[in-house]
Amino acid sequence: QSALTQPASVSGSPGQSITISCTGTSSDVGGYNYVSWYQQHPGKAPKLIIYDVSNRPSGVSNRFSGSKSGNTASLTISGLQAEDEADYYCSSYTTSSTVVFGGGTKLTVL
Amino acid sequence: QVQLQESGPGLVKPSETLSLTCTVSGGSINNYYWSWIRQPPGKGLEWIGYIYNSRSTNYNPSLKSRVAIFADTSKNQFSLKLNSVTAADTAVYYCARDLGGYGDKFDYWGQGTLVTVSS
Repeated sequence: QSALTQPASVSGSPGQSITISCTGTSSDVGGYNYVSWYQQHPGKAPKLIIYDVSNRPSGVSNRFSGSKSGNTASLTISGLQAEDEADYYCSSYTTSSTVVFGGGTKLTVL
Repeated sequence: QVQLQESGPGLVKPSETLSLTCTVSGGSINNYYWSWIRQPPGKGLEWIGYIYNSRSTNYNPSLKSRVAIFADTSKNQFSLKLNSVTAADTAVYYCARDLGGYGDKFDYWGQGTLVTVSS
């Protein structure tokens, strides 16, 4: 299985909105609504911020939102804050009943 | 509050077997999916595999020939064995709970443990 495709880096200024894309195939992202997003700060374990395409776990800011169109899922962060600077990973269930992650996107808050 | 803690050797020689254990506290491992996920230094996440109810397993196709995950319900632990390791297996290894069962809700993670493959 091939990793999902994410941009290596994105950046934005405080208060702005950014979107990170996650492109797969009809065998993963396009075939199921089991796409998740994780935030990872340096030296820390990943944290679930979006599950099942667009759902937020309890306690996650509503500045984080997710969507999907075809084989591409997207994570949008609105009202950027300095604490949002981190690596972001998408993941998807696959037709083989396995899980595939994206390569990760480094978000820089300017 | 569920907590996960990985344990095992931090250094493994090439061609040998990597063995790690994840101890779960604050909840039973029964009736949940439990995964191992790894992250090579400076690189992205890679799903290794899961175990469910101590018997059902599934693995990343790229690792399937070398990996086994098993559970000990009496100790509320699950373990990873990866054989014939090479330097490419050097990574931080995480254990995590998949609440949804479709790899869609890794809601609890261990802190991760670095395993280096070197002679």
